[in-house]
Amino acid sequence: GAGVSQTPSNKVTEKGKYVELRCDPISGHTALYWYRQSLGQGPEFLIYFQGTGAADDSGLPNDRFFAVRPEGSVSTLKIQRTERGDSAVYLCASSLMGDFGNEQFFGPGTRLTVL
Amino acid sequence: AQKVTQAQTEISVVEKEDVTLDCVYETRDTTYYLFWYKQPPSGELVFLIRRNSFDEQNEISGRYSWNFQKSTSSFNFTITASQVVDSAVYFCALSLTGANSKLTFGEGITLSVRP
Repeated sequence: GAGVSQTPSNKVTEKGKYVELRCDPISGHTALYWYRQSLGQGPEFLIYFQGTGAADDSGLPNDRFFAVRPEGSVSTLKIQRTERGDSAVYLCASSLMGDFGNEQFFGPGTRLTVL
Repeated sequence: AQKVTQAQTEISVVEKEDVTLDCVYETRDTTYYLFWYKQPPSGELVFLIRRNSFDEQNEISGRYSWNFQKSTSSFNFTITASQVVDSAVYFCALSLTGANSKLTFGEGITLSVRP
């Protein structure tokens, strides 16, 4: 079956612009996670959705970052007034359920470059 | 807060050598899960193994083996008879049990296997 997909694969934008990154999880997976991976580092947690609701957004760095999952499937990560420091690979993962260490399946990521 | 440390940043071996990747973790919780993920040059994170904190039994899967020792808070990964295709970045990660299985990753180890 299809894995987690993310679009676009690459996004180049200018400082101050608004961007949206999309994640399409594996069908039937109720849990969805966003992570950010800077060059040479491990992924860092941003936000976790269980169904439609954001169950944990403690990893969002500031209020320029926002994510939604209105129908409990596709999720969009939104970044306002982008800064050069936002440049990173944004990874999405989904799992069947959000608890008890369920295996997370990762998408290929969106590489965001802020000029 | 949880922390995962992968002290080795880069390892280079010749094909057919055995190699061990170290992982040390910190958590105050008594129940948790440990993971290893592989990130090949293509960028997509690939799940390798999940271990429950209650289960300290070592595991072997083909050329891969894992040694979990709660006494030293370590979860080391050994590749036997390494191959060029093993070249990748390897991440160790931890999640707590409960309603949110967000992963805390280490910094990753870049493994290069030379022919």
